[in-house]
Amino acid sequence: KQEVTQIPAALSVPEGENLVLNCSFTDSAIYNLQWFRQDPGKGLTSLLLIQSSQREQTSGRLNASLDKSSGRSTLYIAASQPGDSATYLCAVNNAGNMLTFGGGTRLMVKP
Amino acid sequence: DADVTQTPRNRITKTGKRIMLECSQTKGHDRMYWYRQDPGLGLRLIYYSFDVKDINKGEISDGYSVSRQAQAKFSLSLESAIPNQTALYFCATSDLRAGVETQYFGPGTRLLVL
Repeated sequence: KQEVTQIPAALSVPEGENLVLNCSFTDSAIYNLQWFRQDPGKGLTSLLLIQSSQREQTSGRLNASLDKSSGRSTLYIAASQPGDSATYLCAVNNAGNMLTFGGGTRLMVKP
Repeated sequence: DADVTQTPRNRITKTGKRIMLECSQTKGHDRMYWYRQDPGLGLRLIYYSFDVKDINKGEISDGYSVSRQAQAKFSLSLESAIPNQTALYFCATSDLRAGVETQYFGPGTRLLVL
């Protein structure tokens, strides 16, 4: 059974810092991996999707990497802003197109 | 207008009551999902449906049932609600394009069972 772990569970940083969120998974036979953002009272928004054959994906200040053999992914946020404050969820897509989610990292960026 | 809507957004009910959570989508997707989220935990899959005639159990289906009334509608029922079903419930839809599936989530329904 796939298990997904995110570290740290919570993170507080001053505005402007670069930061890294970590995601690890136990079964490397994944189809793809996604990073989502969750805001209170709102649904999840997909940020980046990395196919199993890819090493990284970039969108603006966000960069996600994937090391399938070691069961790890990182989400790098450059020059963090207060608007980045949210919970970030990692999810792996195994066979059958079902997602297994990590517990999330709650990020607070202070002005 | 939101592409994936959920009603109600908040619900308080009592132990033993039957309740239904509804999900509608305007994205035209065939695939729909129901998840629950508990504090500090990720989302866990309850049920999913790949088309109107297809219903499948997810990781934690006990105590829940679903109905896919149409391509655009997927309802989740708690037959006899219990306090440990207090959680945040999400509906999602997805499509598969060029081998890549992306899920789109509704805003969630916060359920409290007393």
